Amino acid sequence: GENVEQHPSTLSVQEGDSAVIKCTYSDSASNYFPWYKQELGKGPQLIIDIRSNVGEKKDQRIAVTLNKTAKHFSLHITETQPEDSAVYFCAASSYGNNRLAFGKGNQVVVIP
Amino acid sequence: GAVVSQHPSWVICKSGTSVKIECRSLDFQATTMFWYRQFPKQSLMLMATSNEGSKATYEQGVEKDKFLINHASLTLSTLTVTSAHPEDSSFYICSAGGQGTNQPQHFGDGTRLSIL
Repeated sequence: GENVEQHPSTLSVQEGDSAVIKCTYSDSASNYFPWYKQELGKGPQLIIDIRSNVGEKKDQRIAVTLNKTAKHFSLHITETQPEDSAVYFCAASSYGNNRLAFGKGNQVVVIP
Repeated sequence: GAVVSQHPSWVICKSGTSVKIECRSLDFQATTMFWYRQFPKQSLMLMATSNEGSKATYEQGVEKDKFLINHASLTLSTLTVTSAHPEDSSFYICSAGGQGTNQPQHFGDGTRLSIL
């Protein structure tokens, strides 16, 4: 099955700086890659996703890039704010299979 | 749009009782819903895939008689933890996606289950 690795496990950034989280996946058939933000005591919230037919997608301060050849995708958060502090999960699934394989999560701490 | 409501948000009960958790898609129809379990500071562990009108598909190692899943309509799935014991204490989260493949999945806010 699909195996998703997520690095680093913890990331601290100064407010206003950028944060980058990288994930790698093992199954070349995977073609859908969402990113979720989870705040303490809540369920994961979908913040952005990308499909394998594009290499980059942006939504305001958040962007995701996908490298199918290297089988990795990254989340970029620019101009970080304290409210960006949370755990971020990447995931992957393949066509015809709605099951998501999640990474282990990344704790992002934005220091005011 | 794409709101998933999960109820209750917190349950404390005695060992041996059964607990039912509801997951509703409020503004879309979901033929498939998923149930996850999450331990503190860990990732989401898929327990089962809930299919509307048919039996759920359980992941390896998940006891289907322990975790009963019912998906009676396109907007409601329930998870019942039967004869709960302290080791069943966890954070249970459901998700639902629109109809079709690789549709974005949206999560409920989870249920914190504590068995005394």
